[in-house]
Amino acid sequence: EAQVTQNPRYLITVTGKKLTVTCSQNMNHEYMSWYRQDPGLGLRQIYYSMNVEVTDKGDVPEGYKVSRKEKRNFPLILESPSPNQTSLYFCASSLLPGGALEQFFGPGTRLTVL
Amino acid sequence: DAKTTQPTSMDCAEGRAANLPCNHSTISGNEYVYWYRQIHSQGPQYIIHGLKNNETNEMASLIITEDRKSSTLILPHATLRDTAVYYCIVRVEGSSNTGKLIFGQGTTLQVKP
Repeated sequence: EAQVTQNPRYLITVTGKKLTVTCSQNMNHEYMSWYRQDPGLGLRQIYYSMNVEVTDKGDVPEGYKVSRKEKRNFPLILESPSPNQTSLYFCASSLLPGGALEQFFGPGTRLTVL
Repeated sequence: DAKTTQPTSMDCAEGRAANLPCNHSTISGNEYVYWYRQIHSQGPQYIIHGLKNNETNEMASLIITEDRKSSTLILPHATLRDTAVYYCIVRVEGSSNTGKLIFGQGTTLQVKP
């Protein structure tokens, strides 16, 4: 089944403790992206990747890192999480970023930073 | 990317057609209209997209006015599982596109028994 998977789905952590949220897609998509969703602010893009080893900042990249060493994986890294990074995170992918194509979203990761 | 305006909320009776409007009066010629939906805290789900012509797939129909300044998403026979927030998104396609989707506030559709 074509899908985007994220792990973990739920995470409660403490300020400053490094964490990684994994994202994987099995559709051989070139484009992957991370969003965060907060009440009243909607979904905002954090980082995106056009292809392997190519990443760029979205609208709210501060406090986050990403890597794209393989086509299928696009982990989101919080080196020193803070409470303002408590949010619902979504990973997305599509075959090509510029084409008139749908984007597939993962099920979400709900992160709480105490 | 052009700004969109949608009603905050709508109700629909189960089994009836749900018609969700979207205004995008500043749309330019190379911008597509996309619809996504998000069922409570799940990942957004693609529904349909179009440029000028009306489009239909297994989920919905998309009607775009001739001047392209507005569109309507039609769910022909709404079910309780169609209760969700529906987002109308306008974006340019092409090699310079960063792929970012700009989600507004959307329309909360409540399908009632």
